[in-house]
Amino acid sequence: KAGVTQTPRYLIKTRGQQVTLSCSPISGHRSVSWYQQTPGQGLQFLFEYFSETQRNKGNFPGRFSGRQFSNSRSEMNVSTLELGDSALYLCASSYRGQGNTGELFFGEGSRLTVL
Amino acid sequence: GQQLNQSPQSMFIQEGEDVSMNCTSSSIFNTWLWYKQDPGEGPVLLIALYKAGELTSNGRLTAQFGITRKDSFLNISASIPSDVGIYFCAGLNYGGSQGNLIFGKGTKLSVKP
Repeated sequence: KAGVTQTPRYLIKTRGQQVTLSCSPISGHRSVSWYQQTPGQGLQFLFEYFSETQRNKGNFPGRFSGRQFSNSRSEMNVSTLELGDSALYLCASSYRGQGNTGELFFGEGSRLTVL
Repeated sequence: GQQLNQSPQSMFIQEGEDVSMNCTSSSIFNTWLWYKQDPGEGPVLLIALYKAGELTSNGRLTAQFGITRKDSFLNISASIPSDVGIYFCAGLNYGGSQGNLIFGKGTKLSVKP
């Protein structure tokens, strides 16, 4: 069974640009959650999508958005990038959702550097 | 909002030593989980605990769900170099689809051969 796949693995952007990250969940998983990981703040929940609907959202500004497609693949977008957006963005999939059992399968992450 | 206090933040130990780390909160959780993140990888679930007082093992790892439901502990016995990584606790307040999974800030473990 293939794991969670995130692309790209690494990217460098400049302030003001926008970025789109992609996540393919484990086959059969309907939930995709996104987390931002920084050294000082640990894992911060961004949002969760389940069957193409946003089901839960963390405390991030509107510059952070996402969507989920009918095949459960998900994308997240960050517009008007700021230096503080530099982080590892992790995607996690599960069958029933992050708020149901807490048992998540994480991808390897997309490391974003904003210059 | 809810927060998890995970300690210690980092540990430097000798191979063969036992390791203990814990997670506390001012809030009650229905489920406690422990994840490990290897360098350059995403976190991987190690142990999930569903009942207060529950003690669960996974190889050399043992975790406990505190009786008060406000804390959890993870022990690693006879550490080996591949135990290196960041260990995260996570607490879940069950709320069906709207349940809230909170992560601690992690304990970074370094093992000297």
